[in-house]
Amino acid sequence: TQLLEQSPQFLSIQEGENLTVYCNSSSVFSSLQWYRQEPGEGPVLLVTVVTGGEVKKLKRLTFQFGDARKDSSLHITAAQPGDTGLYLCAGPTSGTYKYIFGTGTRLKVLA
Amino acid sequence: EAEVAQSPRYKITEKSQAVAFWCDPISGHATLYWYRQILGQGPELLVQFQDESVVDDSQLPKDRFSAERLKGVDSTLKIQPAELGDSAMYLCASSLGQDLTNEQYFGPGTRLTVT
Repeated sequence: TQLLEQSPQFLSIQEGENLTVYCNSSSVFSSLQWYRQEPGEGPVLLVTVVTGGEVKKLKRLTFQFGDARKDSSLHITAAQPGDTGLYLCAGPTSGTYKYIFGTGTRLKVLA
Repeated sequence: EAEVAQSPRYKITEKSQAVAFWCDPISGHATLYWYRQILGQGPELLVQFQDESVVDDSQLPKDRFSAERLKGVDSTLKIQPAELGDSAMYLCASSLGQDLTNEQYFGPGTRLTVT
């Protein structure tokens, strides 16, 4: 069974600090997606990474796909209160069209 | 910008009652997904449609849950009878197709509380 484990589960930081969230698996994924979800809302897609070693930037967010395509990271520079939310990674399971989601990282940025 | 629509946004029901949720995907999206999300956890796939056909419903509790997408456009998820453990956020998502790089777009969800 393919699993996506995220760490840390919870993170509370001060505005202006940097942070990294990890998404790990023992299985290879053809692609991984990162979402941010605010309370009471659906997840919003941030980025899709497809190629091993790929790095994508979205303003202050940097996403990296591991060379072996088994892991990914999300780095936020100078976090702001608006970054607060649940960060989820997701990917398609091999041999099926079914997506699985990671366990999630709940981030709180304090002003 | 096109969005996935869901209704209702909130639903409170008593256990043993029937409840239904509706989803209208982004126009042109052939693949539709229903997920259940327990508070603080990642979404879990309940059922996936490709057009009007079910592709995966392995995690759908079929004794009480049913889903349909009769014309391959909008979809309904039903629970009958509802149980206390069904309290969760029910999310609908859609994508252009089943290609593994196709991006999923989520609706705002329906928050179900069973009392």
